[in-house]
Amino acid sequence: EAGVTQFPSHSVIEKGQTVTLRCDPISGHDNLYWYRRVMGKEIKFLLHFVKESKQDESGMPNNRFLAERTGGTYSTLKVQPAELEDSGVYFCASSVQKGTGTYNEQFFGPGTRLTVL
Amino acid sequence: RKEVEQDPGPFNVPEGATVAFNCTYSNSASQSFFWYRQDCRKEPKLLMSVYSSGNEDGRFTAQLNRASQYISLLIRDSKLSDSATYLCVVKGATDSWGKLQFGAGTQVVVTP
Repeated sequence: EAGVTQFPSHSVIEKGQTVTLRCDPISGHDNLYWYRRVMGKEIKFLLHFVKESKQDESGMPNNRFLAERTGGTYSTLKVQPAELEDSGVYFCASSVQKGTGTYNEQFFGPGTRLTVL
Repeated sequence: RKEVEQDPGPFNVPEGATVAFNCTYSNSASQSFFWYRQDCRKEPKLLMSVYSSGNEDGRFTAQLNRASQYISLLIRDSKLSDSATYLCVVKGATDSWGKLQFGAGTQVVVTP
């Protein structure tokens, strides 16, 4: 079974440019999460989709970040315009949608390493 | 104050030895606790969940102390392949698909 995939694996852009990251979750996983790790810091939650709906976007840093999940399959995360502090590794994770009371393991993708110059 | 705090290490451990480390969490309402493992430049992978009664998975033992709000991980008979960063992860929401809160990780280096 294919795992979570992310594209691109690396992206180097200049400040002010736009970048779009893509995540393909594991097939059948309704939950999709975005996280990021900036240099020297812990991995931090950005947002959570359930199918195509945003369940929780409390971690989105500002309105330069836009996440979409049209059709409830893959998701994109666009940063426009990119700033220096946006550099880091952006992880996507997915999990199944089961009932409450159990932990539904989040499976992580390999991440996109974003460098803003 | 960080929500999840860990000693960054590194913990340098001779092969075959035992190593243990903790993390603390700030939100007493946290519901679920995990240890994830992350290899260099790779994605985090679930190592084990942590239960109140403590639990073992092979050479790995996890403990949870809700009163003191800390979680521990012990690795026995360390292998070279155990070298990695161990992430303490906490889930606060009462639903089972909420966001995860990560510590910055504890680096373990197992030496021959």
